[in-house]
Amino acid sequence: EAGVAQSPRYKIIEKRQSVAFWCNPISGHATLYWYQQILGQGPKLLIQFQNNGVVDDSQLPKDRFSAERLKGVDSTLKIQPAKLEDSAVYLCASSFLVEQFFGPGTRLTVL
Amino acid sequence: QKEVEQNSGPLSVPEGAIASLNCTYSDRGSQSFFWYRQYSGKSPELIMSIYSNGDKEDGRFTAQLNKASQYVSLLIRDSQPSDSATYLCAVTRGGSNYKLTFGKGTLLTVNP
Repeated sequence: EAGVAQSPRYKIIEKRQSVAFWCNPISGHATLYWYQQILGQGPKLLIQFQNNGVVDDSQLPKDRFSAERLKGVDSTLKIQPAKLEDSAVYLCASSFLVEQFFGPGTRLTVL
Repeated sequence: QKEVEQNSGPLSVPEGAIASLNCTYSDRGSQSFFWYRQYSGKSPELIMSIYSNGDKEDGRFTAQLNKASQYVSLLIRDSQPSDSATYLCAVTRGGSNYKLTFGKGTLLTVNP
């Protein structure tokens, strides 16, 4: 069974630029999560989708972050414009029930 | 604010010893508990799930849960250098929203 796929794996941008990350969950997993992990911290949930509906986006900085999950499968997370403090690893996870499985992540560096 | 607390470590144990990792949580409504292993530069990998009080064993790993004390632990028996990683404790209330709240993780080093 293929795991969660993410791309790109690494991205370097300058502040005020925009960036987008892509995630493809494990086949059959209805729930998809985006987490932000800053160095030395545990992952923090940004947004949770159930199929193509948003379940929780309470910690998503909506002035600059947006996410969508069209057709209830793939998802895209966008940052526009990026700030220095957005430098982090962006992790996508998916679940069938409770247990969540993570993709390899995208390491974002904002200069 | 609901929190998950872990000793940041580093925790250093000799090869073959038992490593004990601890986690406390503040939300009494938490129902499901997880341990993830994260190697440097890699993403978290689920190694244990526990849902009821008591012990759950899987190979060299044992998770222990005490809801009354709001305490979760992970024991690693016969520790190997390949166990050297950061161990993340995560909890969720469950229901319709399985949002995970993570601790900051404990760095474990197993010395040959």
